[in-house]
Amino acid sequence: DSGVTQTPKHLITATGQRVTLRCSPRSGDLSVYWYQQSLDQGLQFLIQYYNGEERAKGNILERFSAQQFPDLHSELNLSSLELGDSALYFCASSVGQGMSYGYTFGSGTRLTVV
Amino acid sequence: EDQVTQSPEALRLQEGESSSLNCSYTVSGLRGLFWYRQDPGKGPEFLFTLYSAGEEKEKERLKATLTKKESFLHITAPKPEDSATYLCAVHPRDDKIIFGKGTRLHILP
Repeated sequence: DSGVTQTPKHLITATGQRVTLRCSPRSGDLSVYWYQQSLDQGLQFLIQYYNGEERAKGNILERFSAQQFPDLHSELNLSSLELGDSALYFCASSVGQGMSYGYTFGSGTRLTVV
Repeated sequence: EDQVTQSPEALRLQEGESSSLNCSYTVSGLRGLFWYRQDPGKGPEFLFTLYSAGEEKEKERLKATLTKKESFLHITAPKPEDSATYLCAVHPRDDKIIFGKGTRLHILP
């Protein structure tokens, strides 16, 4: 157990729907990062939050949004889902804003859009 | 444009057969280079951080090295349990971490 908890582990939904992925960071970590991993693209950075504030944005689609709550857990909202959104979504956390000691990743949410 | 290229894409070795994985990078101001191990269906697991050219880090059968343009992950006398995908990531000056697509390593008993 890495200490980063992601729920649900698996999600199957239809095109056009909206889903919410949840992440609880490791105790003491203030930064949360969201990544998308597909077979052909590898790990793609989506967005980072630090202590409730958005700090960095990657190639995140406008249909996707995220937030970090006061208790530091984070949610990634995916709407108007398309088949191409099927992927593994990982959350990672770190103590600070950088990567000095490496990120700690959760076990991911596998999203299948049918 | 910042980018990370890993080679080979896949590698099959016999148990005990040492080899190296390559990570070539082009970034604007490297703040750190990282190696991760990822097992199927799981999240990446942190292995090493390297900060400057010439630096080396070791952990069991793995040793990571860094030059100004690339990093190598050397695997000495690997065992079947070393089979996994190894990911390289770089931390450029603008703070967005970039991952390579990984090398799938398979160690045959």
